[in-house]
Amino acid sequence: AQKITQTQPGMFVQEKEAVTLDCTYDTSDQSYGLFWYKQPSSGEMIFLIYQGSYDEQNATEGRYSLNFQKARKSANLVISASQLGDSAMYFCAMREIQGAQKLVFGQGTRLTINP
Amino acid sequence: GAVVSQHPSWVICKSGTSVKIECRSLDFQATTMFWYRQFPKQSLMLMATSNEGSKATYEQGVEKDKFLINHASLTLSTLTVTSAHPEDSSFYICSASPLLAGVQETQYFGPGTRLLVL
Repeated sequence: AQKITQTQPGMFVQEKEAVTLDCTYDTSDQSYGLFWYKQPSSGEMIFLIYQGSYDEQNATEGRYSLNFQKARKSANLVISASQLGDSAMYFCAMREIQGAQKLVFGQGTRLTINP
Repeated sequence: GAVVSQHPSWVICKSGTSVKIECRSLDFQATTMFWYRQFPKQSLMLMATSNEGSKATYEQGVEKDKFLINHASLTLSTLTVTSAHPEDSSFYICSASPLLAGVQETQYFGPGTRLLVL
């Protein structure tokens, strides 16, 4: 069975600093996808970035980058130059490629950006 | 971008009543829709996978007769919480996967429905 682990319940960072949110995963599948989502207090789920298991390069989307270490089964999210609006819950998720393509979510990390 | 709506966004009901939540993909067709439940300060837990024209597939521990799911068309899925009780109070979120979606394409999430059962 697939499992996602986020070991940081909460993170506090000064504005403009970079922050790394940890995510490790466990799967026996060779093909899978890894996603990061942001959930502000309004509750909406905002897609941030995707990494495929066969992608050789780390994914980047603006200020977001994914530090993908396949051998360690980790997919950490790096946010550069943090902003006050980055304060939110962040979820790492894994998607099975076969079958129903369900998403399995980690426990989440609450990020707080201090001015 | 792809938009998913949910209605209602808020619902307060008395214990014992049934509540229906609609999930619509507004600008795309969705073969598969997913229903999640989220308690405060917790993660999203998948309740069921809904496929158009067929019975939903429920996750282990989710009562099928309690949470009725209907996926009547490629743009609409409904979740009915039957005989709701206070412990059913939660945030319910749906998501949709477009037809012919690539593996790298995210599920598109609705804004969620907050249910409070008194």
